[in-house]
Amino acid sequence: AQSVTQPDIHITVSEGASLELRCNYSYGATPYLFWYVQSPGQGLQLLLKYFSGDTLVQGIKGFEAEFKRSQSSFNLRKPSVHWSDAAEYFCAVGARSGGSNYKLTFGKGTLLTVNP
Amino acid sequence: DAGVTQSPTHLIKTRGQHVTLRCSPISGHKSVSWYQQVLGQGPQFIFQYYEKEERGRGNFPDRFSARQFPNYSSELNVNALLLGDSALYLCASSLQGAVFLFEQYFGPGTRLTVT
Repeated sequence: AQSVTQPDIHITVSEGASLELRCNYSYGATPYLFWYVQSPGQGLQLLLKYFSGDTLVQGIKGFEAEFKRSQSSFNLRKPSVHWSDAAEYFCAVGARSGGSNYKLTFGKGTLLTVNP
Repeated sequence: DAGVTQSPTHLIKTRGQHVTLRCSPISGHKSVSWYQQVLGQGPQFIFQYYEKEERGRGNFPDRFSARQFPNYSSELNVNALLLGDSALYLCASSLQGAVFLFEQYFGPGTRLTVT
């Protein structure tokens, strides 16, 4: 069964600083990987996805992520954080769960605080 | 274009009661998934429906059930509510096709409180 680990529960950065959120996955085949963001009281918004091809993927709001198969990682990065980026970030892996069934498995999330 | 819509926004129920949550997918999307998000945790997969058939089920008891209607909207039903069912229930829709089944668009959720 697939699983996702986000090692950092809470990260605080200063506005304008760079950001890297870590994500490690466990899955036997080629994974479909996602990063979602959730603002307080909101649903989840897709930031970016990796299905295949170029291992560096660009997303919305200036985010990017790099897929590293050898490290089973899909870390999210942003060169300069804005106060509006404060939110909770979830990494997820999509995979078959049997036959024609599919499921999306989420990590427990990383809460990002941005200091002025 | 309208996104995924869910109703109601908030709901308070008593232990032992039954609840029905509703979801309307993005126009053109034929797959709907349901997730439970307990405070401080990531969403956990409950069900996926595609073309009105159940295509996936997470590790939830039989008290949880769902269905998808001909217009692709969906209902999640929970019987015999427990305190532990208090959570944000998220609905997500996606396009048809194997790959697109994973690119899901989420609604704002229904906050269920069981007292």
